[in-house]
Amino acid sequence: DTEVTQTPKHLVMGMTNKKSLKCEQHMGHRAMYWYKQKAKKPPELMFVYSYEKLSINESVPSRFSPECPNSSLLNLHLHALQPEDSALYLCASSQGGGVGETQYFGPGTRLLVL
Amino acid sequence: GEDVEQSLFLSVREGDSSVINCTYTDSSSTYLYWYKQEPGAGLQLLTYIFSNMDMKQDQRLTVLLNKKDKHLSLRIADTQTGDSAIYFCAESITNMRFGAGTRLTVKP
Repeated sequence: DTEVTQTPKHLVMGMTNKKSLKCEQHMGHRAMYWYKQKAKKPPELMFVYSYEKLSINESVPSRFSPECPNSSLLNLHLHALQPEDSALYLCASSQGGGVGETQYFGPGTRLLVL
Repeated sequence: GEDVEQSLFLSVREGDSSVINCTYTDSSSTYLYWYKQEPGAGLQLLTYIFSNMDMKQDQRLTVLLNKKDKHLSLRIADTQTGDSAIYFCAESITNMRFGAGTRLTVKP
């Protein structure tokens, strides 16, 4: 099973709302990633968790707050977002977060901020 | 500019072969990947090649790697309308680095 699941599929939120995106994998992977993808652009790395510890934060604004409750789950908490944060948010996982590992992606959550 | 470069568009007729090209700049890349993204969907891993290989074939897909020229290509044989999508080339050193994506359109 190489499946990464993400919920919700679509999310519309106002700039004052608080919401969370969820990602889950049951492949026994110990590294999980959040990417942001704007239309007609490649994915951009936001965060990397390796063995439930945040290992990379690519200078993402604090209105995005990641959380890794256990090795199978990854959340992205959203608060006070801006319209320019509207994008497809992709979760991925890999074996351990080492160099050159294959990443498996979920279907994404399409976020619209009004 | 981006370190991983791809042409943005490719149009082929159904049944023809498609060749999508990619150049990368970091010779220390260990794995190189091809991902497919259909409209509104996530990234599907199609295939990958280890940097010490020249070629990898998987059913209709053939990946060629020219390490000297840092050139990677993906050939899709007998292209079908279901192959219409955006194809991302990616290299993995410390993190995954994607090209801009090639939009493949398959005409009946």
